[in-house]
Amino acid sequence: KAGVTQTPRYLIKTRGQQVTLSCSPISGHRSVSWYQQTPGQGLQFLFEYFSETQRNKGNFPGRFSGRQFSNSRSEMNVSTLELGDSALYLCASSTRRRYYYGYTFGSGTRLTVV
Amino acid sequence: AQTVTQSQPEMSVQEAETVTLSCTYDTSESDYYLFWYKQPPSRQMILVIRQEAYKQQNATENRFSVNFQKAAKSFSLKISDSQLGDAAMYFCAYRRFGPTPLSDYGGSQGNLIFGKGTKLSVKP
Repeated sequence: KAGVTQTPRYLIKTRGQQVTLSCSPISGHRSVSWYQQTPGQGLQFLFEYFSETQRNKGNFPGRFSGRQFSNSRSEMNVSTLELGDSALYLCASSTRRRYYYGYTFGSGTRLTVV
Repeated sequence: AQTVTQSQPEMSVQEAETVTLSCTYDTSESDYYLFWYKQPPSRQMILVIRQEAYKQQNATENRFSVNFQKAAKSFSLKISDSQLGDAAMYFCAYRRFGPTPLSDYGGSQGNLIFGKGTKLSVKP
């Protein structure tokens, strides 16, 4: 059974550009959550999607957006990149109906903004 | 809002020995789940062990076990017979029972709330 796949693994972007990150959940998982991980702030929740609808949103500016497709794959977009957006972006999937299983995470996308 | 606190930024253990990582949390809810995740240099967060709050029995997974003290809101992880491959960041996480209320939308901590992590080193 394939795990959660995040692409690309690494990205280097220039301040002001925009970026799109992709996440393919485990087959059968319909919930996808995104987290930003930085050394200073730790893991911060961005948003959660379920059945193509955003169900939950963290405290991030509108430059951060996402979407989910009918096959449960999700994309996250950051526009007008800032240096502070440099982070590891983790995607996690779950069945959402069986909370006690926890989340399965991908290996993340390391974004560097220069 | 719920909070998860890991008071040990770094820990070190000798190979084959036992180490305990601490975690405390704050919640007003009675039903919830607790998890320990491991993040090695490969960056992928790996679920180590989970505990349902309504179960009094402490969870165990091979060399990993927890000491769950619900009244004290404490959830420590014990690693027995430590191995070099155990070296990683360890995160304690809390998950409420059920979906996050819509009233939290826009400022939500998310369904899974993490502590800041403990970096575990294993000495050969």
